[in-house]
Amino acid sequence: QKEVEQNSGPLSVPEGAIASLNCTYSDRGSQSFFWYRQYSGKSPELIMFIYSNGDKEDGRFTAQLNKASQYVSLLIRDSQPSDSATYLCAVNTNAGKSTFGDGTTLTVKP
Amino acid sequence: EAGVAQSPRYKIIEKRQSVAFWCNPISGHATLYWYQQILGQGPKLLIQFQNNGVVDDSQLPKDRFSAERLKGVDSTLKIQPAKLEDSAVYLCASSLESRGRQFFGPGTRLTVL
Repeated sequence: QKEVEQNSGPLSVPEGAIASLNCTYSDRGSQSFFWYRQYSGKSPELIMFIYSNGDKEDGRFTAQLNKASQYVSLLIRDSQPSDSATYLCAVNTNAGKSTFGDGTTLTVKP
Repeated sequence: EAGVAQSPRYKIIEKRQSVAFWCNPISGHATLYWYQQILGQGPKLLIQFQNNGVVDDSQLPKDRFSAERLKGVDSTLKIQPAKLEDSAVYLCASSLESRGRQFFGPGTRLTVL
């Protein structure tokens, strides 16, 4: 079992729709959770981070964390073609070890 | 604020040759990471430094890879000798502390022929 698992996709949504990206992790000691966006040929850049159970909203993005289920998700509302990218889920343990999933590729069709 | 700097951006070598990558993190960032990203996969942590000490190098192939972070600032990652399967993008990232957000450099694309 991988430490951080994501649906590989590709996920395709029409412009204006909600895109839902999911991630599960295996280490119950994980403390901080991150979503990075990576455009083709570019480096990852941070979209959202979340540390506590519940929802965290930032503009069109909402991160959701459920530590009991070891599950974190990212919702993108009003998806735009510019949101087309690979989304990486990253998990840090309390010891500070960082593990990334393999990413979900999102395509937003005009 | 200057970002994470990496060089070179691209490198092509033949198998069994050696190669070195350099990274300069954001000023004041105590934690520095080296990742290997193979096409279609997520970044795989090779080594993590906290200042100039190693926090995690469990996935570093120590028979061929080495890394150092002198004076807790710049870092170099070396591969000697390179294999075909080392072809990947090598990403350097830094963060203020080990549980915080990471800032990535532009990466070095390595091709081993």
